[in-house]
Amino acid sequence: EPEVTQTPSHQVTQMGQEVILRCVPISNHLYFYWYRQILGQKVEFLVSFYNNEISEKSEIFDDQFSVERPDGSNFTLKIRSTKLEDSAMYFCASSADSQRGASFELFFGEGSRLTVL
Amino acid sequence: AQKITQTQPGMFVQEKEAVTLDCTYDTSDPSYGLFWYKQPSSGEMIFLIYQGSYDQQNATEGRYSLNFQKARKSANLVISASQLGDSAMYFCAMINTGGFKTIFGAGTRLFVKA
Repeated sequence: EPEVTQTPSHQVTQMGQEVILRCVPISNHLYFYWYRQILGQKVEFLVSFYNNEISEKSEIFDDQFSVERPDGSNFTLKIRSTKLEDSAMYFCASSADSQRGASFELFFGEGSRLTVL
Repeated sequence: AQKITQTQPGMFVQEKEAVTLDCTYDTSDPSYGLFWYKQPSSGEMIFLIYQGSYDQQNATEGRYSLNFQKARKSANLVISASQLGDSAMYFCAMINTGGFKTIFGAGTRLFVKA
């Protein structure tokens, strides 16, 4: 069964360093998302990406964050200068196309845990 | 603004019994989708069930059913015949028209007792 894969599963970094989290969405999906979950808290929407551009982003997704689909398979989230409060689990998700736009079912990766020291 | 509310931070249920996890939502969008996801202690997000705002019948998937009451803006998850493996965090979520953004509730942690 096709799945969304994420790397790394866990990354530890120093405050101020740049981090890139990678995701390979399901191959025929067209909509891509990043979510984050601070330990013990709810899942928060960061950004959605469609047709090679950001379609929607939350207030969390400030200038320190960027997304890219560099080669047609990978979907990356970059945090330019990490802060302590960026420590969280970051989930990538993708969804297929439907007659109404994105299919409502999101397929999540297993997450990348980021720890900022 | 859209909002999802889960008022039960934790729930206990006896194995083999049914349990209802509450979810209320708020949106001004006439077209939306409601989901439930399960997050076991291992951390992954597992899709359980989906209900569209225009669907006439309540969604069911195996032991999971979604009690959708549109007028009350509620979308409760019912798990029948609970199993020990159902112990997990459960998130209610809503997606807006066009499907570009899904928002999640705070979650309910379910404990199934043997």
